[in-house]
Amino acid sequence: DTEVTQTPKHLVMGMTNKKSLKCEQHMGHRAMYWYKQKAKKPPELMFVYSYEKLSINESVPSRFSPECPNSSLLNLHLHALQPEDSALYLCASSQEGLAAQETQYFGPGTRLLVL
Amino acid sequence: DAKTTQPNSMESNEEEPVHLPCNHSTISGTDYIHWYRQLPSQGPEYVIHGLTSNVNNRMASLAIAEDRKSSTLILHRATLRDAAVYYCILGVGNQFYFGTGTSLTVIP
Repeated sequence: DTEVTQTPKHLVMGMTNKKSLKCEQHMGHRAMYWYKQKAKKPPELMFVYSYEKLSINESVPSRFSPECPNSSLLNLHLHALQPEDSALYLCASSQEGLAAQETQYFGPGTRLLVL
Repeated sequence: DAKTTQPNSMESNEEEPVHLPCNHSTISGTDYIHWYRQLPSQGPEYVIHGLTSNVNNRMASLAIAEDRKSSTLILHRATLRDAAVYYCILGVGNQFYFGTGTSLTVIP
């Protein structure tokens, strides 16, 4: 099973709402990633977790809060977002997150609209 | 600054080979070259990767220049299902650095 699942598929939220995105993989991977993708642009790395510890935070605003409860699950908690945060949020996983040659497996993404 | 540069778009006739170029002139000796593709409303999908030698798999071939400053993804016979955005990516440390992508149109 090489699948990364993400829920929900679509999310509409107001600027005062709190919501969470969920990502799950059962490949035994120890690294998980959050990316943000705007329309017609490449994905931009937000966070990397390796062995359930946050290893990279690409200067992401604090209104995005990642959480890795265990090696199979990755959450992204959203609070007080701005309309410009509307984007496709992609989750990915890889074996260990320690090597440049690792293949990353991407989920289908959550399309977020902030009103 | 982007670590890889790619043409914005390319076209190919169905069942003909496609050569998608990528420049990565600042590549270091331990950086890997990855190619992923993304279909509409989907996440990126792995195509192929390599370090120095040319690579083949069931999906494609990767030709890497001797100085490693450029590479070419080769789809041997394009099908309509190959229409996608193709990203040339450098794997550096534990991060991926995406290029801007080439949108491939396959003409029936």
